[in-house]
Amino acid sequence: GENVEQHPSTLSVQEGDSAVIKCTYSDSASNYFPWYKQELGKGPQLIIDIRSNVGEKKDQRIAVTLNKTAKHFSLHITETQPEDSAVYFCAASKSLGQGAQKLVFGQGTRLTINP
Amino acid sequence: GAVVSQHPSRVICKSGTSVKIECRSLDFQATTMFWYRQFPKQSLMLMATSNEGSKATYEQGVEKDKFLINHASLTLSTLTVTSAHPEDSSFYICSARRGNSLNQPQHFGDGTRLSIL
Repeated sequence: GENVEQHPSTLSVQEGDSAVIKCTYSDSASNYFPWYKQELGKGPQLIIDIRSNVGEKKDQRIAVTLNKTAKHFSLHITETQPEDSAVYFCAASKSLGQGAQKLVFGQGTRLTINP
Repeated sequence: GAVVSQHPSRVICKSGTSVKIECRSLDFQATTMFWYRQFPKQSLMLMATSNEGSKATYEQGVEKDKFLINHASLTLSTLTVTSAHPEDSSFYICSARRGNSLNQPQHFGDGTRLSIL
């Protein structure tokens, strides 16, 4: 089955700097890659996603890149702010037929933005 | 945007009690809902996938008689932890997806923290 590896497990950056989180996946049939932000005591919130027919997607300060050949994708946050501090999860999934889909999550990255 | 509501947010109860957690999609019909369990500082572990009007599909190692899932309508799924014990204490999170298309993302509720004494 699919296996998703996420690095680093913790990341501390200075406010205003950029943060990059990387994930690799094992199943070449995976075609959907969302990123979630989870704040303390809350559920994960979808922040951006990318599909396999696209190499890059951007939404304001957040961008995701996908390299299908290498089977890795990355989250880029620019001009970081204290409110970006949270745990970020990447995930990968593929269609299992008849609309079925199963997200496989990475281990998570605890991002801390230092003022 | 899409909103998934989960209730209750926190439950503390005695060992042997059965606990029901509700998950509702507030502004869309969710053909498929998912139940996850999350241990402290760990990732989300899928427990089961439920489709409206049919039996849930449980992941390997998840006891279906322990974790009863009902998806009676397109906006409501429930997870009942039967005869809960301290080892069932965890953060339970539901997720819902609009329709059947892979083009629709999964949206998560805010979780239920279950503590069994």
